[in-house]
Amino acid sequence: GENVEQHPSTLSVQEGDSAVIKCTYSDSASNYFPWYKQELGKRPQLIIDIRSNVGEKKDQRIAVTLNKTAKHFSLHITETQPEDSAVYFCAASKNYGQNFVFGPGTRLSVLP
Amino acid sequence: SAVISQKPSRDICQRGTSLTIQCQVDSQVTMMFWYRQQPGQSLTLIATANQGSEATYESGFVIDKFPISRPNLTFSTLTVSNMSPEDSSIYLCSVGGQSGANVLTFGAGSRLTVL
Repeated sequence: GENVEQHPSTLSVQEGDSAVIKCTYSDSASNYFPWYKQELGKRPQLIIDIRSNVGEKKDQRIAVTLNKTAKHFSLHITETQPEDSAVYFCAASKNYGQNFVFGPGTRLSVLP
Repeated sequence: SAVISQKPSRDICQRGTSLTIQCQVDSQVTMMFWYRQQPGQSLTLIATANQGSEATYESGFVIDKFPISRPNLTFSTLTVSNMSPEDSSIYLCSVGGQSGANVLTFGAGSRLTVL
């Protein structure tokens, strides 16, 4: 079955700096890759996603890149702010939205 | 996106008892899922709740321990049976795959503590 790895497990950056979180997946049939943000005590919420037919997607300060050949995808957050502090989960799925497998998560701390 | 109401939001339970978690969605959805999030951990799929048929369980999860009902397209329940302290987790209902949209939306979760 699918296996998703995520690095780093924790990440601290200074406010205004960029943060990058990387994920790798094992199943070449996976075709949809969302990123979720979970603040303390809250539910996971989708922040950005990418399909396998796209190499990069951007939404304001957040971008995701996908390398299908290498089977890895990355989350990029620019101009980080304290409210970006949270746990971020990547996921991979087949059939465009079913059988989600989540990575172990990255705890991001943005230091003022 | 769908609005998901889940209850209870939290509960403290005694070892050996069972608890049923309810999930109500404000619109009809095809796909409903139950996830478990152990303290400080990631999200693990327990099962897919199928309307009108038995749930589809992931490896490591069995119907006797986690019976699931899905009587219609807007409602599902998950029961955690014969609880032990190892069952202390957050249990999240989620829906996804609506109208070609791939987004998986989560309920607020039910935090269970088993003493």
